[in-house]
Amino acid sequence: EAGVAQSPRYKIIEKRQSVAFWCNPISGHATLYWYQQILGQGPKLLIQFQNNGVVDDSQLPKDRFSAERLKGVDSTLKIQPAKLEDSAVYLCASRKTGTYGYTFGSGTRLTVV
Amino acid sequence: SQQGEEDPQALSIQEGENATMNCSYKTSINNLQWYRQNSGRGLVHLILIRSNEREKHSGRLRVTLDTSKKSSSLLITASRAADTASYFCATVEETSGSRLTFGEGTQLTVNP
Repeated sequence: EAGVAQSPRYKIIEKRQSVAFWCNPISGHATLYWYQQILGQGPKLLIQFQNNGVVDDSQLPKDRFSAERLKGVDSTLKIQPAKLEDSAVYLCASRKTGTYGYTFGSGTRLTVV
Repeated sequence: SQQGEEDPQALSIQEGENATMNCSYKTSINNLQWYRQNSGRGLVHLILIRSNEREKHSGRLRVTLDTSKKSSSLLITASRAADTASYFCATVEETSGSRLTFGEGTQLTVNP
């Protein structure tokens, strides 16, 4: 089966600019996650979707971050405006209902200068 | 917040040796999982151990879980240079549904 697709692979922006990341999960995986991984640290959950509904966004900085999964398939994560501390790898993962293992995409490496 | 703490932060061994990484966590869990991350890549699921299991094997991997000590270990036997990567433990807490909370990871380097 095809894996979790993410784009772009890399992005460099200036602070205060906006940026969007895209994720296409594995077909049939109802649950989708966005994680932020700062260099040298473990991934931190930003938001979890079940189909097109938000299950957990308690750690999402909602003043600048937003995410959507309109048709329960693809998802986009947006940052507006970006800060220097947003420099990180943004990982998307999906999970099949009834299982616990996640499948991760390769991530988008964001550098804010 | 991070659930797990991994030890050591970095480990360097020779090919053929065994590598052991430890993970401690704070809350009651449903299961604990180990993931590998090669440099610049996403995470790959290695193995899952449920809270009612004590040991699990998969190929050259052996995972143990001690819920009384809230700790787990990952053993990689007969290591290879290709095992060089970061290894993360992640827990699913009893009250969190399916949410995975990751530790900080162990950077393993296997020297040829």
